[in-house]
Formats: sequence, C-alpha cells, structure tokens
Amino acid sequence: NAGVTQTPKFQVLKTGQSMTLQCAQDMNHNSMYWYRQDPGMGLRLIYYSASEGTTDKGEVPNGYNVSRLNKREFSLRLESAAPSQTSVYFCASSPEGTREQYFGPGTRLTVT
Amino acid sequence: AQKVTQAQTEISVVEKEDVTLDCVYETRDTTYYLFWYKQPPSGELVFLIRRNSFDEQNEISGRYSWNFQKSTSSFNFTITASQVVDSAVYFCALVRGNNRLAFGKGNQVVVIP
Repeated sequence: NAGVTQTPKFQVLKTGQSMTLQCAQDMNHNSMYWYRQDPGMGLRLIYYSASEGTTDKGEVPNGYNVSRLNKREFSLRLESAAPSQTSVYFCASSPEGTREQYFGPGTRLTVT
Repeated sequence: AQKVTQAQTEISVVEKEDVTLDCVYETRDTTYYLFWYKQPPSGELVFLIRRNSFDEQNEISGRYSWNFQKSTSSFNFTITASQVVDSAVYFCALVRGNNRLAFGKGNQVVVIP
C-alpha cells in the first residue's frame, strides 16, 4: 500500500514551458486535492475533485488545469509556467466520512 | 468566511521546555473539523489529530495535548517536555465543505538542545 504518490519529486522549468504533475492513490479514496505551499503562506488549495469525473476550483486556480483521469489518478497541468508558480506542490486524498486528508511527499517546482 | 490564524510564526524553546501553539479559527458552519499536521524538515505532512465541532474533550497523546474551546474558537496544541525531534512546522487546519482544508500559515518550532 503506497498511499499517495507524486511524480516527479523535483522539477526545474523555464518560463513558458508546460508540464504535468502526476498524483496517484491506492486507497480507493473518492476525493483528491492539489495544494501549493509557499514560504509563510501555509498550504493553499488549487483544485480538488470530489469524485471521478468532477473537478472544482480552489483558492488559487489561475494558471493551472487538472484532470481526474480515474479514481486513482489526479494530475495538475501548468500550460505556460511562470516564476510565480515556483512552489512545493502537494497532492492529497480523502476517504468518505473521515475528513482526514492523506498527503503525498510533494513536488518541488522551480520556474526560472 | 473560513479562516485559520496561527499568530506565532517562529517559536524557539530549549529542550525539555513546554511549548504551546495557538490556533484560532473562523467559520459559520455548525459542524466542522479541525486538524493539526506536522511538517518535519524532510517536508512530508504528518497527520496528528482530528477534532469535530461536537467533541470538546481535550486530548492527550504521549507528550502532545490539545485544548479545544468552542467558546473562543480556539484549538491549541501543547508539546510537553520538548525534544529536538519536535523541531518542525506545525499547521492547524479547518475542514470546509467538500472536505476542503483551510490551513493556517504554520508555526515553526525550533527546539534547542
């Protein structure tokens, strides 16, 4: 049982490049989330998916798109990376009823 | 509005001292959940505790204890007899609708040996 996995662990992009962050969970959770963590800001929700086939915006969705490919996978895409998107990105999943979120190890992204 | 405030940004203590982290929240919901997470220097987020709004009992788990006071909208966290391994950032969080967490900005705890 791997829990929540994220790839890659580290990534450096040039301004304007695109990339997709991958997230998968093997706990059969319905809900999945993408957060970004910036120094002094805590974690802020980018997008979430309450179930397969549905996605909704969080606090800071601009510049991102998401895909809930199936129950296991929830990807985050940066179409045209900007230096302001330099951050640590966390994926999380949550089972029905407990409200507890299980976090992946994070992806450290630098945009130059 | 849903909001979590952790006023102290960095707290330094000498090993074996107690440290209390304050968390004040705002919500219009009558049913809600509060969490504490630990983020050690390695970067992962570790779940510590969940408390729902109907359960105001304080909780103790080893050297960790939590004081939930609905009347003052606070959910404070105390580490007793701190150890160097407690050095981390600690986040308080409030669950909103659709299980979306609202995080505080975190408390950086530094335990000096």
